[in-house]
Amino acid sequence: AQSVTQLGSHVSVSEGALVLLRCNYSSSVPPYLFWYVQYPNQGLQLLLKYTTGATLVKGINGFEAEFKKSETSFHLTKPSAHMSDAAEYFCAVTMIKAAGNKLTFGGGTRVLVKP
Amino acid sequence: NAGVTQTPKFQVLKTGQSMTLQCAQDMNHEYMSWYRQDPGMGLRLIHYSVGAGITDQGEVPNGYNVSRSTTEDFPLRLLSAAPSQTSVYFCASSQRGGSETQYFGPGTRLLVL
Repeated sequence: AQSVTQLGSHVSVSEGALVLLRCNYSSSVPPYLFWYVQYPNQGLQLLLKYTTGATLVKGINGFEAEFKKSETSFHLTKPSAHMSDAAEYFCAVTMIKAAGNKLTFGGGTRVLVKP
Repeated sequence: NAGVTQTPKFQVLKTGQSMTLQCAQDMNHEYMSWYRQDPGMGLRLIHYSVGAGITDQGEVPNGYNVSRSTTEDFPLRLLSAAPSQTSVYFCASSQRGGSETQYFGPGTRLLVL
Protein backbone atom coordinates (compact mmCIF):
# COMPACT_ATOMS: atom_id res chain seq x y z
CA ALA A 1 0.00 0.00 0.00
CA GLN A 2 1.20 3.50 -0.70
CA SER A 3 1.75 6.17 1.91
CA VAL A 4 2.42 9.90 1.85
CA THR A 5 4.58 11.88 4.26
CA GLN A 6 4.48 15.64 4.53
CA LEU A 7 7.38 17.03 6.50
CA GLY A 8 6.22 19.71 8.92
CA SER A 9 2.64 20.06 10.06
CA HIS A 10 3.04 23.85 10.33
CA VAL A 11 5.17 26.23 8.25
CA SER A 12 5.54 29.96 8.85
CA VAL A 13 6.81 32.22 6.06
CA SER A 14 7.10 35.96 5.61
CA GLU A 15 5.15 37.67 2.87
CA GLY A 16 7.33 37.72 -0.25
CA ALA A 17 9.49 34.78 0.88
CA LEU A 18 9.79 31.36 -0.74
CA VAL A 19 7.19 28.76 0.16
CA LEU A 20 8.50 25.18 0.19
CA LEU A 21 6.28 22.30 1.26
CA ARG A 22 7.76 18.83 1.24
CA CYS A 23 6.02 15.62 0.17
CA ASN A 24 7.47 12.13 -0.09
CA TYR A 25 5.57 9.03 -1.10
CA SER A 26 6.22 5.35 -0.83
CA SER A 27 5.11 3.23 -3.71
CA SER A 28 6.54 0.38 -5.73
CA VAL A 29 5.62 2.15 -8.96
CA PRO A 30 5.29 5.87 -9.74
CA PRO A 31 1.78 7.01 -8.88
CA TYR A 32 -0.28 9.97 -9.94
CA LEU A 33 0.52 12.87 -7.60
CA PHE A 34 -1.63 15.78 -6.46
CA TRP A 35 -1.47 18.88 -4.31
CA TYR A 36 -4.74 20.19 -2.86
CA VAL A 37 -5.32 23.37 -0.85
CA GLN A 38 -7.93 23.89 1.85
CA TYR A 39 -8.87 27.41 2.90
CA PRO A 40 -10.52 27.84 6.32
CA ASN A 41 -13.95 26.21 6.58
CA GLN A 42 -13.92 25.13 2.94
CA GLY A 43 -13.48 21.95 0.96
CA LEU A 44 -10.32 21.01 -0.89
CA GLN A 45 -9.46 22.35 -4.32
CA LEU A 46 -6.80 21.15 -6.72
CA LEU A 47 -3.59 23.17 -6.99
CA LEU A 48 -1.80 20.92 -9.48
CA LYS A 49 -1.19 17.32 -10.43
CA TYR A 50 1.42 15.13 -12.07
CA THR A 51 0.28 12.34 -14.37
CA THR A 52 2.87 11.76 -17.08
CA GLY A 53 5.34 13.78 -19.12
CA ALA A 54 7.11 16.89 -17.87
CA THR A 55 8.21 16.46 -14.28
CA LEU A 56 7.87 20.17 -13.42
CA VAL A 57 4.19 20.92 -13.05
CA LYS A 58 2.71 24.40 -12.83
CA GLY A 59 -0.52 25.01 -10.98
CA ILE A 60 -2.83 27.80 -9.96
CA ASN A 61 -1.87 30.86 -7.91
CA GLY A 62 1.83 30.68 -8.89
CA PHE A 63 2.53 27.29 -7.33
CA GLU A 64 4.61 24.59 -8.97
CA ALA A 65 5.89 21.14 -8.02
CA GLU A 66 8.58 18.84 -9.33
CA PHE A 67 8.26 15.07 -9.49
CA LYS A 68 11.57 13.39 -8.67
CA LYS A 69 11.28 9.65 -9.13
CA SER A 70 14.73 8.89 -7.68
CA GLU A 71 13.81 10.72 -4.48
CA THR A 72 10.13 9.66 -4.45
CA SER A 73 9.30 13.30 -3.84
CA PHE A 74 6.81 15.88 -5.09
CA HIS A 75 7.69 19.11 -3.27
CA LEU A 76 5.51 22.20 -3.72
CA THR A 77 7.02 25.67 -4.13
CA LYS A 78 5.99 29.25 -4.70
CA PRO A 79 8.69 31.91 -5.17
CA SER A 80 6.92 34.70 -3.28
CA ALA A 81 4.31 34.12 -0.58
CA HIS A 82 1.16 36.21 -0.44
CA MET A 83 -1.12 36.68 2.52
CA SER A 84 -3.85 34.83 0.59
CA ASP A 85 -1.66 31.68 0.58
CA ALA A 86 -2.45 31.05 4.25
CA ALA A 87 -4.21 27.69 4.15
CA GLU A 88 -3.65 23.98 4.69
CA TYR A 89 -1.97 22.05 1.90
CA PHE A 90 -2.33 18.34 1.24
CA CYS A 91 -0.22 16.07 -0.92
CA ALA A 92 -2.02 13.01 -2.25
CA VAL A 93 -1.31 10.00 -4.46
CA THR A 94 -3.29 7.41 -6.33
CA MET A 95 -2.03 4.35 -8.11
CA ILE A 96 -2.26 4.32 -11.88
CA LYS A 97 -4.41 1.19 -12.02
CA ALA A 98 -6.27 1.63 -8.75
CA ALA A 99 -9.99 0.91 -8.73
CA GLY A 100 -12.22 3.86 -8.13
CA ASN A 101 -10.84 7.30 -7.37
CA LYS A 102 -9.01 6.42 -4.18
CA LEU A 103 -6.64 9.07 -2.98
CA THR A 104 -4.13 8.56 -0.17
CA PHE A 105 -3.40 11.84 1.58
CA GLY A 106 -0.52 13.11 3.65
CA GLY A 107 -1.19 14.63 7.05
CA GLY A 108 -1.28 18.17 5.72
CA THR A 109 0.87 21.28 6.23
CA ARG A 110 -0.69 24.45 7.57
CA VAL A 111 0.94 27.59 6.14
CA LEU A 112 0.99 30.84 8.09
CA VAL A 113 2.05 33.97 6.21
CA LYS A 114 3.49 36.80 8.30
CA PRO A 115 3.26 40.39 7.05
CA ASN B 1 -23.40 24.34 -11.65
CA ALA B 2 -23.55 23.96 -7.88
CA GLY B 3 -20.76 21.33 -8.01
CA VAL B 4 -20.70 19.06 -4.96
CA THR B 5 -23.13 19.93 -2.18
CA GLN B 6 -23.30 18.46 1.32
CA THR B 7 -25.91 18.71 4.05
CA PRO B 8 -25.99 19.41 6.91
CA LYS B 9 -23.04 21.72 7.50
CA PHE B 10 -22.88 20.87 11.19
CA GLN B 11 -24.49 18.18 13.34
CA VAL B 12 -24.36 17.13 16.98
CA LEU B 13 -25.31 13.55 17.82
CA LYS B 14 -25.50 11.50 20.98
CA THR B 15 -23.71 8.17 21.18
CA GLY B 16 -25.84 5.45 19.62
CA GLN B 17 -27.91 7.73 17.38
CA SER B 18 -27.99 7.22 13.64
CA MET B 19 -27.97 9.78 10.88
CA THR B 20 -27.41 10.25 7.17
CA LEU B 21 -24.99 12.72 5.64
CA GLN B 22 -26.18 13.86 2.25
CA CYS B 23 -24.01 14.41 -0.81
CA ALA B 24 -25.11 15.43 -4.29
CA GLN B 25 -23.28 16.46 -7.45
CA ASP B 26 -24.62 17.99 -10.66
CA MET B 27 -21.61 17.34 -12.91
CA ASN B 28 -22.74 13.88 -14.07
CA HIS B 29 -19.66 12.31 -12.50
CA GLU B 30 -19.49 8.54 -12.29
CA TYR B 31 -17.09 8.32 -9.36
CA MET B 32 -17.95 9.52 -5.85
CA SER B 33 -16.18 9.12 -2.51
CA TRP B 34 -16.51 9.87 1.18
CA TYR B 35 -13.52 10.94 3.27
CA ARG B 36 -13.11 11.89 6.89
CA GLN B 37 -10.62 14.52 8.01
CA ASP B 38 -8.95 14.33 11.40
CA PRO B 39 -6.16 16.61 12.68
CA GLY B 40 -2.71 15.46 11.59
CA MET B 41 -4.07 12.52 9.63
CA GLY B 42 -5.09 14.19 6.41
CA LEU B 43 -8.17 12.72 4.74
CA ARG B 44 -8.95 9.01 4.86
CA LEU B 45 -11.23 7.21 2.45
CA ILE B 46 -14.38 5.68 3.97
CA HIS B 47 -16.33 4.36 0.98
CA TYR B 48 -16.38 4.99 -2.73
CA SER B 49 -18.56 4.33 -5.77
CA VAL B 50 -17.69 3.93 -9.44
CA GLY B 51 -21.26 4.25 -10.65
CA ALA B 52 -24.90 3.85 -9.69
CA GLY B 53 -25.42 0.57 -7.85
CA ILE B 54 -21.68 -0.03 -7.29
CA THR B 55 -19.95 0.75 -3.99
CA ASP B 56 -16.85 -0.49 -2.22
CA GLN B 57 -14.99 0.00 1.04
CA GLY B 58 -12.10 2.35 1.56
CA GLU B 59 -9.53 2.55 4.32
CA VAL B 60 -11.85 3.19 7.30
CA PRO B 61 -15.33 1.75 6.50
CA ASN B 62 -16.36 0.40 9.91
CA GLY B 63 -19.48 2.03 11.33
CA TYR B 64 -20.52 3.55 8.01
CA ASN B 65 -22.84 2.44 5.25
CA VAL B 66 -23.38 3.80 1.74
CA SER B 67 -25.62 3.22 -1.26
CA ARG B 68 -25.72 4.75 -4.74
CA SER B 69 -29.15 4.55 -6.32
CA THR B 70 -28.60 7.49 -8.69
CA THR B 71 -25.59 9.08 -10.37
CA GLU B 72 -26.20 12.34 -8.51
CA ASP B 73 -26.51 11.21 -4.88
CA PHE B 74 -24.20 9.33 -2.53
CA PRO B 75 -25.45 9.40 1.08
CA LEU B 76 -23.32 8.23 4.01
CA ARG B 77 -25.09 6.56 6.93
CA LEU B 78 -23.80 6.33 10.46
CA LEU B 79 -25.49 3.29 11.93
CA SER B 80 -24.79 3.88 15.65
CA ALA B 81 -22.69 6.96 16.25
CA ALA B 82 -19.61 6.77 18.47
CA PRO B 83 -17.37 9.57 19.80
CA SER B 84 -14.57 8.23 17.55
CA GLN B 85 -16.68 9.32 14.58
CA THR B 86 -16.36 12.98 15.56
CA SER B 87 -14.74 14.41 12.45
CA VAL B 88 -15.21 16.53 9.37
CA TYR B 89 -16.66 14.57 6.46
CA PHE B 90 -16.03 15.41 2.83
CA CYS B 91 -17.71 14.07 -0.25
CA ALA B 92 -15.87 14.17 -3.58
CA SER B 93 -16.66 13.32 -7.18
CA SER B 94 -14.77 12.84 -10.45
CA GLN B 95 -15.60 11.83 -13.98
CA ARG B 96 -13.35 8.79 -13.76
CA GLY B 97 -10.59 7.46 -11.53
CA GLY B 98 -6.84 7.60 -11.91
CA SER B 99 -5.52 11.03 -12.85
CA GLU B 100 -8.92 12.72 -12.91
CA THR B 101 -9.33 15.71 -10.60
CA GLN B 102 -11.64 15.12 -7.67
CA TYR B 103 -14.05 17.91 -6.73
CA PHE B 104 -14.81 18.25 -3.04
CA GLY B 105 -17.88 19.47 -1.22
CA PRO B 106 -17.72 22.03 1.62
CA GLY B 107 -17.81 19.36 4.33
CA THR B 108 -20.03 18.33 7.24
CA ARG B 109 -18.69 18.85 10.74
CA LEU B 110 -19.97 16.09 13.07
CA LEU B 111 -19.70 16.05 16.84
CA VAL B 112 -20.67 12.87 18.70
CA LEU B 113 -21.17 13.27 22.44
